[in-house]
Amino acid sequence: EAGVVQSPRYKIIEKKQPVAFWCNPISGHNTLYWYLQNLGQGPELLIRYENEEAVDDSQLPKDRFSAERLKGVDSTLKIQPAELGDSAVYLCASSPRGRELFFGEGSRLTVL
Amino acid sequence: KQEVTQIPAALSVPEGENLVLNCSFTDSAIYNLQWFRQDPGKGLTSLLLIQSSQREQTSGRLNASLDKSSGRSTLYIAASQPGDSATYLCAVRTGANNLFFGTGTRLTVIP
Repeated sequence: EAGVVQSPRYKIIEKKQPVAFWCNPISGHNTLYWYLQNLGQGPELLIRYENEEAVDDSQLPKDRFSAERLKGVDSTLKIQPAELGDSAVYLCASSPRGRELFFGEGSRLTVL
Repeated sequence: KQEVTQIPAALSVPEGENLVLNCSFTDSAIYNLQWFRQDPGKGLTSLLLIQSSQREQTSGRLNASLDKSSGRSTLYIAASQPGDSATYLCAVRTGANNLFFGTGTRLTVIP
């Protein structure tokens, strides 16, 4: 069974540029999460989807961040414009509702 | 809001030693608790999931326990190996399907 797939693995951009991250969850997992992880810290939730509905986006900085999950499968997280402080690892995870959580390898963003 | 704490932040042990990692949480009304391992530059790998009705789960040399009433979980690693060196994180899931992570314990097993 394929795991959670994320791309790109690494991205380096200049500040004020846009960037997008893509996530393909494990087949059949209706819950999808986007997390942000800074060095030495635990993951912090940005947004959680149940199927195609964003049920928790309270921590998503909506002035520059947006996300979508079309047809309740793949998801895209976008930042526009990026700021220096957005440099971090963006992790995608999926699970059947309330059950074991599986993570992708993450997308490491560096904003110069 | 649920707060999850992991102590110590870092731990170094000689190879072969048994060790315990700690995770504490402030709200005992949890749905389940999951332990993860994270290698540098990688995502999180699931190790063990304990449901709120369970007291412990075992997988190989790993044993995780859960004491909901005291808001604590421990991850026991037997006969540690250099390959166990990684950061270990615990995450608590609430009934509303929210997950809260600790900041992790960075383990180094010295050959």
